[in-house]
Amino acid sequence: EIVLTQYPGTLSLSPGEGATLFCRASQSVSSRSLAWYQQKPGQAPRLLIYGASSRATGIPDRFSGSGSGTDFILTISRLEPEDFAVYYCQQYASSPQTFGQGTKVEIK
Amino acid sequence: EVQLVESGGGLVKPGGSLRLSCAASGFTFTSYSMNWVRQAPGKGLEWVSSISSSSSYIYYADSVKGRFSISRDNAKNSLYLLMNSLRVEDTAVYYCVRDVKQLVLTGLDAFDIWGQGTMVTVSS
Repeated sequence: EIVLTQYPGTLSLSPGEGATLFCRASQSVSSRSLAWYQQKPGQAPRLLIYGASSRATGIPDRFSGSGSGTDFILTISRLEPEDFAVYYCQQYASSPQTFGQGTKVEIK
Repeated sequence: EVQLVESGGGLVKPGGSLRLSCAASGFTFTSYSMNWVRQAPGKGLEWVSSISSSSSYIYYADSVKGRFSISRDNAKNSLYLLMNSLRVEDTAVYYCVRDVKQLVLTGLDAFDIWGQGTMVTVSS
């Protein structure tokens, strides 16, 4: 099973700042089969990025994904008030597909 | 509007059973594999099970294998999860989710459409 480790656990930032979230896999994630989700309290997760760098439908271009192999990054260029949430990465390269433990982006 | 609506959650005693349902609308249900993903209170996400569009390929997480059974009725645009021998650690919100891509057979894909979730509580 591929274990995904996200860091930092919590990111304290102000609106307008940029955010960089990391996801490290315990083994290589082939075909860049990595996704990022955003979850707000009481809501279902929302797909942001799949295929490591493809934005999902309706996702603003301030969200971008990069990386390959074992190291992946989600970048939010300028935080909007609605971006403060928990972010999860997911690998779907090998079974079972697994999620990271999440990074909370909170208002500083 | 593309939508998934779960139902069937509730309180059940350890060892009991529960059947979750998910009604899909706004897209061609028969073109997509479907999944269940759960989230224990205050915890992260855990994939539970996947079923291909024609029900030919079914996958389970080790934690539920032999206890849970996924199925679908394409005529009714519905997905189901039958949960038997429930344990306290199965307590979670259960989400019905759709694969991003059509006709995936491997049980491996990102998830682009999520239902609102249904809460399952296993407690004596």
